[in-house]
Amino acid sequence: QKEVEQNSGPLSVPEGAIASLNCTYSDRGSQSFFWYRQYSGKSPELIMSIYSNGDKEDGRFTAQLNKASQYVSLLIRDSQPSDSATYLCAVNKASGNTPLVFGKGTRLSVIA
Amino acid sequence: DAGVIQSPRHEVTEMGQEVTLRCKPISGHNSLFWYRQTMMRGLELLIYFNNNVPIDDSGMPEDRFSAKMPNASFSTLKIQPSEPRDSAVYFCASRSPGDYTEAFFGQGTRLTVV
Repeated sequence: QKEVEQNSGPLSVPEGAIASLNCTYSDRGSQSFFWYRQYSGKSPELIMSIYSNGDKEDGRFTAQLNKASQYVSLLIRDSQPSDSATYLCAVNKASGNTPLVFGKGTRLSVIA
Repeated sequence: DAGVIQSPRHEVTEMGQEVTLRCKPISGHNSLFWYRQTMMRGLELLIYFNNNVPIDDSGMPEDRFSAKMPNASFSTLKIQPSEPRDSAVYFCASRSPGDYTEAFFGQGTRLTVV
């Protein structure tokens, strides 16, 4: 089993709809979870982080964490064409400055 | 802060040549990571340093790859000799101390070995 798994997509949603991106991880002791956005030809940039079970909202973005199910999700409300990018789920498996482990990413396409 | 700075942005080299990629982390960040990104394998960790000390280099694909961090503000990743299969985007990232801190990425070096 891969450490961090995501559907590669592409996930296509119409403008204004909700985009739902999912991620599962294998290490039950994982501490913190991150969603990065990567535009084509650019570097990953952080959009959300979450550490506790439940939901965390920031503008149009909501991250959801369920540690019992080892599941992280990102919801994007009122999707815009500018949200079209690859979304990378990253997991910090241990305490201290250990590397983030990344999924391969889900490519999102928002259709105007 | 200018963020994580990588150079060069693009590198085209011939097979067999030595390639050196450079990274300046964000000031105050004590961890530095080198990742490689390809379509097939995604973002793979090559090596990381804490407080300038290499902690885990198990992701380095072969002995042709080496990395150094002589001080807190500079790191290099060297490939010698380079091969076409090394073509990828190489990212450097840094993190500040703490369990819940994010990693900040440089703009990457796109390496093409012909």
